[in-house]
Amino acid sequence: NAGVMQNPRHLVRRRGQEARLRCSPMKGHSHVYWYRQLPEEGLKFMVYLQKENIIDESGMPKERFSAEFPKEGPSILRIQQVVRGDSAAYFCASSPKGTIADSPLHFGNGTRLTVT
Amino acid sequence: RKEVEQDPGPFNVPEGATVAFNCTYSNSASQSFFWYRQDCRKEPKLLMSVYSSGNEDGRFTAQLNRASQYISLLIRDSKLSDSATYLCVVSALNTNAGKSTFGDGTTLTVKP
Repeated sequence: NAGVMQNPRHLVRRRGQEARLRCSPMKGHSHVYWYRQLPEEGLKFMVYLQKENIIDESGMPKERFSAEFPKEGPSILRIQQVVRGDSAAYFCASSPKGTIADSPLHFGNGTRLTVT
Repeated sequence: RKEVEQDPGPFNVPEGATVAFNCTYSNSASQSFFWYRQDCRKEPKLLMSVYSSGNEDGRFTAQLNRASQYISLLIRDSKLSDSATYLCVVSALNTNAGKSTFGDGTTLTVKP
């Protein structure tokens, strides 16, 4: 039973380019969460999605960032026109239920984005 | 004030020592509590859930104090392999979904 799969592991983009980060949840999990971890800081919630729906995007920057979780395929976190401040580790997590109370998060290995 | 606050650390202890971390949370509606471990900024991994009555898993003991709104993690007989960053995680239900809030972590280094 494969865990949460994220790719790519490392992504280098020049300022102004687009970054696409992919996440396939664990088998049987339909709830996906994206977190960002800036250097020397803790994890910050960005967005919570179910299949074809954004449930909570209160942690997403208002501009340049978007996320989707289509009916088929992985969840995508898209960052347009990247800036140096976007350099961070982006972690995806999944759970079988939307209420975290009884279903702790399972994390992927993360994508390290470096903007040059 | 942050929603979840942890001891700033770092904690540097010798092998065999007992060490305790605290974590306070501000949202009194918080329902679920966890300790995660993160090694060298790899993915966080669940260490243990924290139950109201307190719970133990080998050398690790977690406790919850709802009245004072804090949780704690006690590690006995520290091993070199315990060196990591320990993240306190608190979850509450909002109107639409559950959402976890992570503390910034406490770094533990166990030395020979």
